[in-house]
Amino acid sequence: QQQVKQSPQSLIVQKGGISIINCAYENTAFDYFPWYQQFPGKGPALLIAIRPDVSEKKEGRFTISFNKSAKQFSLHIMDSQPGDSATYFCAARATDSWGKLQFGAGTQVVVTP
Amino acid sequence: GAGVSQSPSNKVTEKGKDVELRCDPISGHTALYWYRQSLGQGLEFLIYFQGNSAPDKSGLPSDRFSAERTGGSVSTLTIQRTQQEDSAVYLCASSLRLRGRAANEKLFFGSGTQLSVL
Repeated sequence: QQQVKQSPQSLIVQKGGISIINCAYENTAFDYFPWYQQFPGKGPALLIAIRPDVSEKKEGRFTISFNKSAKQFSLHIMDSQPGDSATYFCAARATDSWGKLQFGAGTQVVVTP
Repeated sequence: GAGVSQSPSNKVTEKGKDVELRCDPISGHTALYWYRQSLGQGLEFLIYFQGNSAPDKSGLPSDRFSAERTGGSVSTLTIQRTQQEDSAVYLCASSLRLRGRAANEKLFFGSGTQLSVL
């Protein structure tokens, strides 16, 4: 049973548009929320991460929004580019399970030219 | 090398055979992880090694799965009596975790081993 629920499963966005991926969790012990990006044939790579003491974190065109009370967080990709076409995974980790990231099922993003 | 190295990149085996998957982490990384990625699914935690501590094996799906890490570096994931449901990409990751200070929590993943059980 997945502890982190991710949606949508896939999305198509035009170049220059905004991609939004949402994740929800139940475990209030989670204290670290990373997003990983994976290209075909490669392992995932850390994109951006947030802790629950902030509501937003921005790195370049990528922004995480975090709503602690709703137990939801989302990834926004601004000005989406064809090179952003990849699968994105949200994840969460609890304080007492340092080595165990719980991943969402992934969102395949396709950015059309 | 500069990154996490996994071998083989592809492995085709027959049901019932044993397989060994190898992971060479980034030099100096104290933590090593194994995850499994089934087609269209997220990553499933299998096992975690940190330094000389006892590994967290809580994600291993059955006693057919085992892993070891020799000399705090290279790790081998062994699957005995493989079944068709074991077919997946097995990903290894490593990270640098320093006791007594804010840990660098970034996991560096290898490209994985695609295991196909016929």
